[in-house]
Amino acid sequence: EAGVTQFPSHSVIEKGQTVTLRCDPISGHDNLYWYRRVMGKEIKFLLHFVKESKQDESGMPNNRFLAERTGGTYSTLKVQPAELEDSGVYFCASSGGRTQYFGPGTRLLVL
Amino acid sequence: QKEVEQNSGPLSVPEGAIASLNCTYSDRGSQSFFWYRQYSGKSPELIMSIYSNGDKEDGRFTAQLNKASQYVSLLIRDSQPSDSATYLCAVNIKSSASKIIFGSGTRLSIRP
Repeated sequence: EAGVTQFPSHSVIEKGQTVTLRCDPISGHDNLYWYRRVMGKEIKFLLHFVKESKQDESGMPNNRFLAERTGGTYSTLKVQPAELEDSGVYFCASSGGRTQYFGPGTRLLVL
Repeated sequence: QKEVEQNSGPLSVPEGAIASLNCTYSDRGSQSFFWYRQYSGKSPELIMSIYSNGDKEDGRFTAQLNKASQYVSLLIRDSQPSDSATYLCAVNIKSSASKIIFGSGTRLSIRP
C-alpha cells in the first residue's frame, strides 16, 4: 500500500512568488493534516481536513496560506505571496483513526 | 511553558545498552501519546503509540505513560547504531483524530 506522497520534494522560490504544495494521503484516509517545521523549531500543526471540510485551521499563520481538499482526496497548500519566514519543511499526514502517517515533506526555501 | 517538552540532547548511549528518552506534557486532557523517529532529512516515522497508563512493549521498544505525572517515556533495549536519530514525542489532546502537538525532539546517538 502506498504511503503519503508529497510534491514537490524541494522548492526554491523568490520572495513574493507563489508556491503550491500537493499532498496525496493514504487511500481511504479521511483525515489529512498539514504541518510545518521551520529551522530550529518543533513541528507545528497548520490545519486538519476531514474529507473535504476544514476541521481545524487554527495553526495557519496568516491569510497568505490557503489549503484546499476538493473532493476529499488530495490536498494543496498554496502560499501567496511567499515571505522569507515561510521557509521550512512542510509535512502532510493522513489517518484513518488516531495514528497519523507522515509524508516525506516538501522543503521550501524562499530567497 | 511548552506544551510538550523534551531534552534536546544529544543523548549518547553505547551499543547494546538501554536508551531512555523522556517527555512531559502540560495538558491534563491529553489522550493519545506517540513516539516518532526521524532520521536526518526524512519524515517522522511512528514507532510507538500509547493511550493508557502503564507500559507498552513492542520488540526492543517500551513506551511508558504516567498521566498523573504527565510524563511519557521511551526505552530502547539493546541499542543499535541504526537507532541513532531524533525521537519526537507527540501528544493528541482529544481522543478522536485531531492535531498532534510535537516536542522539539531528542537527538540520540548510539556509539559502537
